[in-house]
Amino acid sequence: GQSLEQPSEVTAVEGAIVQINCTYQTSGFYGLSWYQQHDGGAPTFLSYNALDGLEETGRFSSFLSRSDSYGYLLLQELQMKDSASYFCAVRISGSARQLTFGSGTQLTVLP
Amino acid sequence: NAGVTQTPKFQVLKTGQSMTLQCAQDMNHNSMYWYRQDPGMGLRLIYYSASEGTTDKGEVPNGYNVSRLNKREFSLRLESAAPSQTSVYFCASTRGGDSSNEQFFGPGTRLTVL
Repeated sequence: GQSLEQPSEVTAVEGAIVQINCTYQTSGFYGLSWYQQHDGGAPTFLSYNALDGLEETGRFSSFLSRSDSYGYLLLQELQMKDSASYFCAVRISGSARQLTFGSGTQLTVLP
Repeated sequence: NAGVTQTPKFQVLKTGQSMTLQCAQDMNHNSMYWYRQDPGMGLRLIYYSASEGTTDKGEVPNGYNVSRLNKREFSLRLESAAPSQTSVYFCASTRGGDSSNEQFFGPGTRLTVL
């Protein structure tokens, strides 16, 4: 099976940088995704890493180290609207691209 | 483009009742998924369909059945609802192919079983 660990809560102030870590244990690892969810609404895709290194998309960056079974999501120039839950999810090898999600990190951005 | 749509948005059932949750996507995606999300938890995969005509069990399939009616539609059925099935249910889809990893989610169905 698969298991993922991420912090349950993180708090930061507007304009700051925050890093949300994710460690995983899985067989057949293919890649690590990050999703954002506001107030129980539909999760939305943020990023995907299949190879080691950093992927940057605007204010958000995601990092993966396959040898350490570890990844993180980096949010820069935090805004109030970034307050949400953030989930890491592992994709295992297979044609269906199914994901296993972590329990999520609730990010609170303070003014 | 509506993306992924789900009906109903809310539902209250009594223990033992049955119901079907509907999901449709208009993005011509190959793969579709059903998840449940309990309070303060991540999403857990119930069933998935890699392509039209195929379905497979996910992490928590007990008490559920699915039908991939056609490429657009993927329904989830609760034959005899139990209070433990109180949850928010999300449907998702993805195009498939190695270049596509993004799953697109519907707005969810909030189900309460009394």
